[in-house]
Amino acid sequence: DAMVIQNPRYQVTQFGKPVTLSCSQTLNHNVMYWYQQKSSQAPKLLFHYYDKDFNNEADTPDNFQSRRPNTSFCFLDIRSPGLGDAAMYLCATSRDGAGAGEQFFGPGTRLTVL
Amino acid sequence: GQQVMQIPQYQHVQEGEDFTTYCNSSTTLSNIQWYKQRPGGHPVFLIQLVKSGEVKKQKRLTFQFGEAKKNSSLHITATQTTDVGTYFCAATTTDSWGKLQFGAGTQVVVTP
Repeated sequence: DAMVIQNPRYQVTQFGKPVTLSCSQTLNHNVMYWYQQKSSQAPKLLFHYYDKDFNNEADTPDNFQSRRPNTSFCFLDIRSPGLGDAAMYLCATSRDGAGAGEQFFGPGTRLTVL
Repeated sequence: GQQVMQIPQYQHVQEGEDFTTYCNSSTTLSNIQWYKQRPGGHPVFLIQLVKSGEVKKQKRLTFQFGEAKKNSSLHITATQTTDVGTYFCAATTTDSWGKLQFGAGTQVVVTP
């Protein structure tokens, strides 16, 4: 089945220790998104890729970086995690980013920062 | 910037009752989508509304898009325990290039 996969599902890291979250998709969608979702809040867009074009949200901290080496994979790098970065990180895809159609979300990676 | 306001934040419903969640924007929306997120799960797409005044139904769920394309509602009839979760509206505008602006969500708890 075509889907969005995130690994790991749970990640524990130490304060300041870099961590990488991964997302892969078998939908062959052009657009991939990374969201941060904290408890009882809506998903907050961090950045997105349209093909290889990277688009950063203005309020995304510099601590967060992303890579998309090919259509199928996208990575979220947190260079120096702080306690405030503990959250669920959701990857999503859409066929075409121009406001057309649904976004498909992966199951998320829950990040704990000790 | 554009904000999508969603109310109520919480909804306690007795099984079998109806309820409605509302989204409002101060700006005209290109489209509005609705997602459901079960406890511990991820958002799952329910529907997209594009046309002014559009009404779509999915079994017990009725979605509406306002005539001015500034508001939307989701009405659920005869609530079941399977309806538990948080319902988010998410909208795009002509200059948001497909980026969804999520409402705060309505967390629904169903009492048997």
